Amino acid sequence: DAGITQSPRYKITETGRQVTLMCHQTWSHSYMFWYRQDLGHGLRLIYYSAAADITDKGEVPDGYVVSRSKTENFPLTLESATRSQTSVYFCASSVGQGRDSAEAFFGQGTRLTVV
Amino acid sequence: QQPVQSPQAVILREGEDAVINCSSSKALYSVHWYRQKHGEAPVFLMILLKGGEQKGHEKISASFNEKKQQSSLYLTASQLSYSGTYFCGTAKNTGNQFYFGTGTSLTVIP
Repeated sequence: DAGITQSPRYKITETGRQVTLMCHQTWSHSYMFWYRQDLGHGLRLIYYSAAADITDKGEVPDGYVVSRSKTENFPLTLESATRSQTSVYFCASSVGQGRDSAEAFFGQGTRLTVV
Repeated sequence: QQPVQSPQAVILREGEDAVINCSSSKALYSVHWYRQKHGEAPVFLMILLKGGEQKGHEKISASFNEKKQQSSLYLTASQLSYSGTYFCGTAKNTGNQFYFGTGTSLTVIP
């Protein structure tokens, strides 16, 4: 199916474990983003990517790692999960940013709980 | 980096109007507006690309003052379906970051 999909939709993990959240888009959009959503903070940018093999930090990158070996995939890894990383994570993609800013399409989100 | 929205929350009766503001400390090239229903992903409403540009989407419109780095979303004659959290998203003149505001919860009651 066309679109942007995240997996898993729900995840419970223990403190200290490594967790990877997957994001896949079928449009070949150049830009992809990871956000976390917490009450009172809105959507905060974790990492973004302008193209395959090009990634950069957002506002809250500590404790997270990303990679983008293929245009369509942008996985987010929590190297050693902490309770403060309990959140809803959204992946988004866009055909352009900056001066070519365009609509961002969001995945359905992953609700992650760290216990 | 994250733009600030005001108010944080608003409750309206059907048919009333509302204004949501978005302000950034950085020079902006564009402002987006999104609406998120509870438990769902944000959905795009509109994008404003030029200073002073105003756009409309049915009874929802927005303005963008590039010099002041501010945008406002106007909801007129609100409907129950307008309930949700509204986010502004901002793209700077340089770089590829795309930041969202803190969100405004809007509730429309009968």
